[in-house]
Amino acid sequence: ETGVTQTPRHLVMGMTNKKSLKCEQHLGHNAMYWYKQSAKKPLELMFVYNFKEQTENNSVPSRFSPECPNSSHLFLHLHTLQPEDSALYLCASSQDNSGGFQETQYFGPGTRLLVL
Amino acid sequence: AQKVTQAQTEISVVEKEDVTLDCVYETRDTTYYLFWYKQPPSGELVFLIRRNSFDEQNEISGRYSWNFQKSTSSFNFTITASQVVDSAVYFCALILGGSARQLTFGSGTQLTVLP
Repeated sequence: ETGVTQTPRHLVMGMTNKKSLKCEQHLGHNAMYWYKQSAKKPLELMFVYNFKEQTENNSVPSRFSPECPNSSHLFLHLHTLQPEDSALYLCASSQDNSGGFQETQYFGPGTRLLVL
Repeated sequence: AQKVTQAQTEISVVEKEDVTLDCVYETRDTTYYLFWYKQPPSGELVFLIRRNSFDEQNEISGRYSWNFQKSTSSFNFTITASQVVDSAVYFCALILGGSARQLTFGSGTQLTVLP
């Protein structure tokens, strides 16, 4: 099931650039997530949105700015990134994230980001 | 805090062999959910199974089977008669019930199935 799409799939940017990653889910879910996957490291949760409201920010630097205009779309705005920010950025969605019954998260294909 | 350990970093098997991927978790909560995901080279994490802490029944789905044992805090994954297409990184993950919201992932096991 590929109900979560991400664009672009690959991105190369300089440290002074501004770019945005886009995620869209077609599953009717209400919660969306950004994860970072660096080489040789476990997946790191960055942000959580539930019903368009940000509910988690795991001490992510301000050069990463999320935006969730509706329950189907999630953006990650990038500016003045560092080379160590190069990673695979994965978006996920789940039915909701209100506590109680924890729904399965479904992931997109990711955006491979290289910061030069 | 919860933790998931996948001690096997890399495993190589020859096609048609059976292979078991180990997952050990730590949590003090009594309500939690365990997951397995597959990440092929394309990068997408593919959901394989979810199991809640109150259901210790083992599950079989085709060539895949899962063995959940609370007594040893383990949730192991076995692939029977492995195929080259099974080559991927496999992640075990844990999320707590109640108000906790974060999926905790293990570090993953790279499985290579050789023809």
